[in-house]
Amino acid sequence: NAGVTQTPKFQVLKTGQSMTLQCAQDMNHEYMSWYRQDPGMGLRLIHYSVGAGITDQGEVPNGYNVSRSTTEDFPLRLLSAAPSQTSVYFCASSYRPTYSQHNSPLHFGNGTRLTVT
Amino acid sequence: GQQVMQIPQYQHVQEGEDFTTYCNSSTTLSNIQWYKQRPGGHPVFLIQLVKSGEVKKQKRLTFQFGEAKKNSSLHITATQTTDVGTYFCAAIDMRFGAGTRLTVKP
Repeated sequence: NAGVTQTPKFQVLKTGQSMTLQCAQDMNHEYMSWYRQDPGMGLRLIHYSVGAGITDQGEVPNGYNVSRSTTEDFPLRLLSAAPSQTSVYFCASSYRPTYSQHNSPLHFGNGTRLTVT
Repeated sequence: GQQVMQIPQYQHVQEGEDFTTYCNSSTTLSNIQWYKQRPGGHPVFLIQLVKSGEVKKQKRLTFQFGEAKKNSSLHITATQTTDVGTYFCAAIDMRFGAGTRLTVKP
């Protein structure tokens, strides 16, 4: 199993450009999520999905869109990149949704380092 | 969401010293998870605590969940250079604390 695969690993964008960060998992996990990590800020939840066709906003959703057409894929779209979106982005998945008492561990991808100039 | 506060933000220790990081919430937590992120890497799951007063050990790491389920701690005995990284706690809604960055001086 490859686990959670994120592409690209690195990306440089100019302000105003759009792009899609790809995330795929081969563990048949229902729950998937996107985080951004900035120095001193920990991991902040952007969007998440509890299953195909279902998405919801996290803590910092503005400027990002997601969709979940299949169980395996959960792309993150930056509509019009801004320097404030310079960050490391992590995709994660888990077997169970996170609302039950026995939520299962998150499996993270290796991350995408995005710079917006 | 269940916001968790984590302290300290940074900790520098001499190899062999102990280390503790704390995770605190103003509300009762259903459960709490701990993750470790090595420099340049991604977070990796360490453990989940569910029961009030629960204590779990993994070799030199001891995890505790408070009796009121509002706080948790991770204690490392006799740190090693392999313990370097950032330790995060996460609440049930998968919102993470800001993390504690541990550096170990050989």
